[in-house]
Amino acid sequence: SQKIEQNSEALNIQEGKTATLTCNYTNYSPAYLQWYRQDPGRGPVFLLLIRENEKEKRKERLKVTFDTTLKQSLFHITASQPADSATYLCALPPTDSWGKLQFGAGTQVVVTP
Amino acid sequence: SQTIHQWPATLVQPVGSPLSLECTVEGTSNPNLYWYRQAAGRGLQLLFYSVGIGQISSEVPQNLSASRPQDRQFILSSKKLLLSDSGFYLCAWSVPPLRDEQFFGPGTRLTVL
Repeated sequence: SQKIEQNSEALNIQEGKTATLTCNYTNYSPAYLQWYRQDPGRGPVFLLLIRENEKEKRKERLKVTFDTTLKQSLFHITASQPADSATYLCALPPTDSWGKLQFGAGTQVVVTP
Repeated sequence: SQTIHQWPATLVQPVGSPLSLECTVEGTSNPNLYWYRQAAGRGLQLLFYSVGIGQISSEVPQNLSASRPQDRQFILSSKKLLLSDSGFYLCAWSVPPLRDEQFFGPGTRLTVL
């Protein structure tokens, strides 16, 4: 069965450092992978989409890599700030379906001053 | 610009009572619409999705149902709530293949007592 794994342990990081999150998947051949941010009590907010033919994508202080051989995406927050504290979710389209996404459980990031 | 509304924001209901949650989208036409549930500390579980008026696909068998009476209106219902129906309910929209990302509403926090 298709499975998405994100580190369930919270990532505690000091302000200014780089946070790196991992998203591993099995039994998928995704055309793209997405990352979302979710704050407590709010709906997820789309951050980045990276396609299978892209190795890396950047948006401001965010960087995403996508290795289809390793079946893994890395999400980096550089020069982290306390305002970056949130849960970050990765999402993939199911192989057999169109227009849907399956989400990982997310990794919580806590940035301390 | 597009906006998505959900109401109510919070709801406390007794076991066995009915449920109706509403979601409306503005500023886009013929979107895909989705209902998700998120239990405390858990990932997003896709409940229903719709690619058009009257077209509903159920992802998980349960005592919930969904309807799409208008292009930009999506309703989640139950005739008799269970304790296990408690959670954070999120509505989302997308317009594949133009925009593969999903845009989420503010959510409804449902507590069944």
